[in-house]
Amino acid sequence: KAGVTQTPRYLIKTRGQQVTLSCSPISGHRSVSWYQQTPGQGLQFLFEYFSETQRNKGNFPGRFSGRQFSNSRSEMNVSTLELGDSALYLCASSFGDKGEKLFFGSGTQLSVL
Amino acid sequence: GNSVTQMEGPVTLSEEAFLTINCTYTATGYPSLFWYVQYPGEGLQLLLKATKADDKGSNKGFEATYRKETTSFHLEKGSVQVSDSAVYFCALTARQLTFGSGTQLTVLP
Repeated sequence: KAGVTQTPRYLIKTRGQQVTLSCSPISGHRSVSWYQQTPGQGLQFLFEYFSETQRNKGNFPGRFSGRQFSNSRSEMNVSTLELGDSALYLCASSFGDKGEKLFFGSGTQLSVL
Repeated sequence: GNSVTQMEGPVTLSEEAFLTINCTYTATGYPSLFWYVQYPGEGLQLLLKATKADDKGSNKGFEATYRKETTSFHLEKGSVQVSDSAVYFCALTARQLTFGSGTQLTVLP
């Protein structure tokens, strides 16, 4: 069974641009979560979507947004990019039950120049 | 809020050495606890989990016991291998996963 797929794998943008990252969860999973990983801040939770609804949100500015489609695929958008947005963005999927394990994709490495 | 404090790295060991990576947490209620591992260039993989006090999670020779009295979930392995070299993350979940800062482990042959 295919794992969590994130595209693109690498992305280079300049300040002020916007970017959209995509995540396809494991078949049957209805929950998709997004995390930002940086050397300085570690892994930080962005948001979680379950059945097309945002169920949980971390402490990130409104420039970071997401959505989930009816097939559970999810996209994350960052507008007005800043240098500090350079990070590995990880997506994880699960069935959506509390306390269950997450399956992570390999991430999208975003570099903002 | 919830938080996870993890042993600072990097940790360098010789093959077959004993490994301990300390993890303590602060949380309200009764969270589930996890150890995730990240190999170079990859996402995170669940290594083991424990869902209630005194539970012991184990996988691939790694173990961790959910200690509510000390709010700890230390990771141990009796004999590490070169292939165990990776970054290890302790995490807890209440409404969302909260991760520790990660510990880089390097095992030398």
